[in-house]
Amino acid sequence: GENVEQHPSTLSVQEGDSAVIKCTYSDSASNYFPWYKQELGKRPQLIIDIRSNVGEKKDQRIAVTLNKTAKHFSLHITETQPEDSAVYFCAAKGGANNLFFGTGTRLTVIP
Amino acid sequence: EAQVTQNPRYLITVTGKKLTVTCSQNMNHEYMSWYRQDPGLGLRQIYYSMNVEVTDKGDVPEGYKVSRKEKRNFPLILESPSPNQTSLYFCASSLFDSMNTEAFFGQGTRLTVV
Repeated sequence: GENVEQHPSTLSVQEGDSAVIKCTYSDSASNYFPWYKQELGKRPQLIIDIRSNVGEKKDQRIAVTLNKTAKHFSLHITETQPEDSAVYFCAAKGGANNLFFGTGTRLTVIP
Repeated sequence: EAQVTQNPRYLITVTGKKLTVTCSQNMNHEYMSWYRQDPGLGLRQIYYSMNVEVTDKGDVPEGYKVSRKEKRNFPLILESPSPNQTSLYFCASSLFDSMNTEAFFGQGTRLTVV
């Protein structure tokens, strides 16, 4: 099955700086790559996603890049704000519709 | 309002006492799944269902059962809970589409088995 690895496990940045979280996947058949944000005590919620026919996608301060050849995708958050502090999960989905999650990154934005 | 509802939110039980965590969605989604979330391990899939009466094991199915008698409901059953099943559980639903679609999560159920 699919194996998704996520790094780093924790990340601290100063407010206004950028944050980058990286993930790799193993199954070349995976074709959908969402990112979820989980605030403390809350459920995971989708913040951005990318499909395998696209290399990059941006939504305001967040962007995701995908390198299918290297089986690598990344989340970029610019101009970080304290409300960006949360746990972020990457995931990969293949033909069976199953989502395989990374182990999460705890992002702390220091005011 | 489109939502996935889990009950209960919190549960403390004793080893061996059967319990059921309910999950219901109102979005007519075909696909439903259960995950457990443990520190450092992320979200691991327990069971999933592609439609009514169609269920299959995920990555960590041992000690769990599920059923899908109706499209909207997907209960998680622990026949004989053990302390290593202490965890945060999430139910999720989505349309059955491999190229698309957001998974919507329930509020979570924090289970403690003593």
